[in-house]
Amino acid sequence: GQSLEQPSEVTAVEGAIVQINCTYQTSGFYGLSWYQQHDGGAPTFLSYNALDGLEETGRFSSFLSRSDSYGYLLLQELQMKDSASYFCAVRGGSQGNLIFGKGTKLSVKP
Amino acid sequence: DAGVTQSPTHLIKTRGQHVTLRCSPISGHKSVSWYQQVLGQGPQFIFQYYEKEERGRGNFPDRFSARQFPNYSSELNVNALLLGDSALYLCASRQDRGGNQPQHFGDGTRLSIL
Repeated sequence: GQSLEQPSEVTAVEGAIVQINCTYQTSGFYGLSWYQQHDGGAPTFLSYNALDGLEETGRFSSFLSRSDSYGYLLLQELQMKDSASYFCAVRGGSQGNLIFGKGTKLSVKP
Repeated sequence: DAGVTQSPTHLIKTRGQHVTLRCSPISGHKSVSWYQQVLGQGPQFIFQYYEKEERGRGNFPDRFSARQFPNYSSELNVNALLLGDSALYLCASRQDRGGNQPQHFGDGTRLSIL
């Protein structure tokens, strides 16, 4: 089967840096994605890693280590608007459907 | 450009009823997927449709069915509703059925079963 593990909650202060880890078990690997979801809103795509290494998009970066079945999302210069749930997800197969972790609720404090 | 649109936004039903949820993908997107998100959990895959054919199905009972129309819009149908079907139902679209393209989600339909 396929499963993903990520912390349930993380708290940080404005301006800080926070790292959300994700470990996964898959029968086949097609890449690791990250999505952000504000309360009552739609999941929004943040980043995708197919190969090992770091991908940077503005204040957000995502890292993947396929040998460790591990990835993380790094959020820098935290802002209040970053308070949301963050999900890591892997593709369930070549067709592209996503399997999500349970999500990490990030609370950014003043 | 309009994003993925879903209707209705909220719906209240009672046990045993059936429901139809609708989704219009982003213009040019041919693949539509449906997900169920229970409070406090990540979205769980239900169906994927591409070019009007079912391309994938998650671990959901036969009470759940879906279809895709020639204009690539889609409907999710759920029969014999149970209390446990209360959830946010999300529709996502992408240009093609696979590959590394991200899925774009709508705001969902919040279904409450009484």
